[in-house]
Amino acid sequence: QVQLVQSGAEVKKPGASVKVSCKASGYTFTDHFIHWVRQAPGQGLEWIGWVSPNSGLTNYTQKYQGRVTMTRDTSISTAYMELSRLTSDDTAVYFCARELFRISYWFDPWGQGTLVTVSS
Amino acid sequence: SYVLTQPPSVSVAPGQTARMTCGGNNIGIKSVHWYQQKAGQAPVLVILDDSDRPSGISERFSGSNSGNTATLTISRVEAGDEADYYCQVWDSSRDPWVFGGGTKLTVL
Repeated sequence: QVQLVQSGAEVKKPGASVKVSCKASGYTFTDHFIHWVRQAPGQGLEWIGWVSPNSGLTNYTQKYQGRVTMTRDTSISTAYMELSRLTSDDTAVYFCARELFRISYWFDPWGQGTLVTVSS
Repeated sequence: SYVLTQPPSVSVAPGQTARMTCGGNNIGIKSVHWYQQKAGQAPVLVILDDSDRPSGISERFSGSNSGNTATLTISRVEAGDEADYYCQVWDSSRDPWVFGGGTKLTVL
């Protein structure tokens, strides 16, 4: 079945960087964009950006421009999101999700989420 | 950028019908998707393109979209439906993937 499996929880100090992975299986990895969405504690879903597994092209929301880098390794069907210069406000669960399209764009499935805790 | 507005909470007794709204400017011309997120879990798609159910989603889930409001309806609500529900659209703006703030469904 189609599945996205993310790397485990991380604890980082302020100013550090974190890199989260998202391994895809059950479909052709290069056929669908991978998006990253974050959810701060008790808050809603916030879209961060996408990476094209086929071309490597990326698009980030302006809020994270300059701090986020999304990459992929097609040889192992894995997408990555790296966030730098972490602050306590970056404490959140980060999800990857596969993009699908018919009339519009939606996400299915989602990875299980990766908790990133930023604390001194 | 495009804004989606959801009520923070909805409460319903088991067996009753729950209706959760998602408001946006002329949202009726967009395709709306709905996700269910149970506590500690990842979101799961329950409705796509306003009213289509993905494979494996109960027939109790349905959706509609017109004017400035899209609605997710859950009939014959069960305790297992308790979750946060998010609407999502794609908009031709700088940040195209937009989520509503979410509605917490409580089953009394």
